[in-house]
Parts: sequence; structure tokens; C-alpha cells
Amino acid sequence: SQQGEEDPQALSIQEGENATMNCSYKTSINNLQWYRQNSGRGLVHLILIRSNEREKHSGRLRVTLDTSKKSSSLLITASRAADTASYFCATDATGGGNKLTFGTGTQLKVEL
Amino acid sequence: GAVVSQHPSRVICKSGTSVKIECRSLDFQATTMFWYRQFPKKSLMLMATSNEGSKATYEQGVEKDKFLINHASLTLSTLTVTSAHPEDSSFYICSARSLDSYLNQPQHFGDGTRLSIL
Repeated sequence: SQQGEEDPQALSIQEGENATMNCSYKTSINNLQWYRQNSGRGLVHLILIRSNEREKHSGRLRVTLDTSKKSSSLLITASRAADTASYFCATDATGGGNKLTFGTGTQLKVEL
Repeated sequence: GAVVSQHPSRVICKSGTSVKIECRSLDFQATTMFWYRQFPKKSLMLMATSNEGSKATYEQGVEKDKFLINHASLTLSTLTVTSAHPEDSSFYICSARSLDSYLNQPQHFGDGTRLSIL
């Protein structure tokens, strides 16, 4: 299966700024999920947005989904140094047996 | 809740050795577990889907005789890298889905295993 793409590949911001990451995918989906990965660790689930939802919030996270454009965005507001990590989108394709296809990821660095 | 434990976290061994990695769901039953491989600074690539009590389903290009998967119980799946060579060095991550989860539920990931073959 083809991976989705994320942009930017890398993002460096100052603490307190907002960070926006974008994800594009290719197939029809049941849902799209965002995960965070600290260096050398496993993935932590952040948000799941269903195909019939357009926007979802969780704390400082805001996710949008545009199924007509096959794209999603993750916004982290008021970023902190602890937000430094890699962020991946993953799609659960319709009829895909709940397998996830991961995007290429965005490496976020939040500097003090 | 929904904790997945992966063991070992790091393995360094000689070429030709077979290495077994365990993935356990600690507080839930998992009918399905997934095994991923990740190269440095790259994304996760699905290797295979492990179903309890049946043969694993491998993704295209993944050698099933090289990467043996066993899912003998609802809480344990193992990945054995047979006769490992330096090119098998990578970060291997498992994830699990709960028995009672249907559509629109996240997967729960282990912390990964760093495999280094000398």
C-alpha cells in the first residue's frame, strides 16, 4: 500500500508558537489517526477522526479532515519543549481490515 | 488501560542468530496484532497482521520464512527474525486491537525493539 505524505518533513518553532502539520492520503477511509513518537520509542495515540467528522479537539490539539481533498491537519497550540517529537498520520482504509497506513511523518522541534 | 508490552527493548547479536520479539497485551485481549518495521527517521511499514489462532497475513515483499509470526493466545504474539543478517537491523514495533473493538478505534502500540545485527 502507498504511504500518505506529510508536510513539512521537519518543523522548528519557538515555545509558545503554534505548529501545524499536514497529511495527504490516497484512499477512501474509515478514519484517520494522529500519533506521536518520541525518539526511539513506540507510538502514542493522539486523536482519531472519523470520515464523517470535519474537526476534532483534544486539549491543545486540533485536527481537521477534508475527505474531498483527502487531507488532514494537526494543529498544536501554545507548543512546549516537551512537544518535540515525530508526528505521524495514519489512515484506516475502507475495507482494509483495520490495517493502518502511516504517513511519512513530521519531525517537530520546539525550542526554548 | 490498553497497555501493550514489547520485549526485549533492545537486542544486539551476531549474524546468523535467530531473535524472538514478544508483544503482549497486558490488560485486554487482542484478536489482532500488527508488526511494523521502522528505519531511522522513516515511517512505519506494516510487515504482517497477526490473528489469534490462525496464520499471519504478510504484506507484499515481506518474507514469511524470514519473519515468523505466532499468535498463540489472545494476549501474546511473537515475531522471530530467523538467521538474522545486518540488513535486518531495524526498529520493530507491534500494535494490538482489542477483542471488543470494531471500527474507529485506535491501535495500542508497544515501545518497540531495537534490533542490531553485527
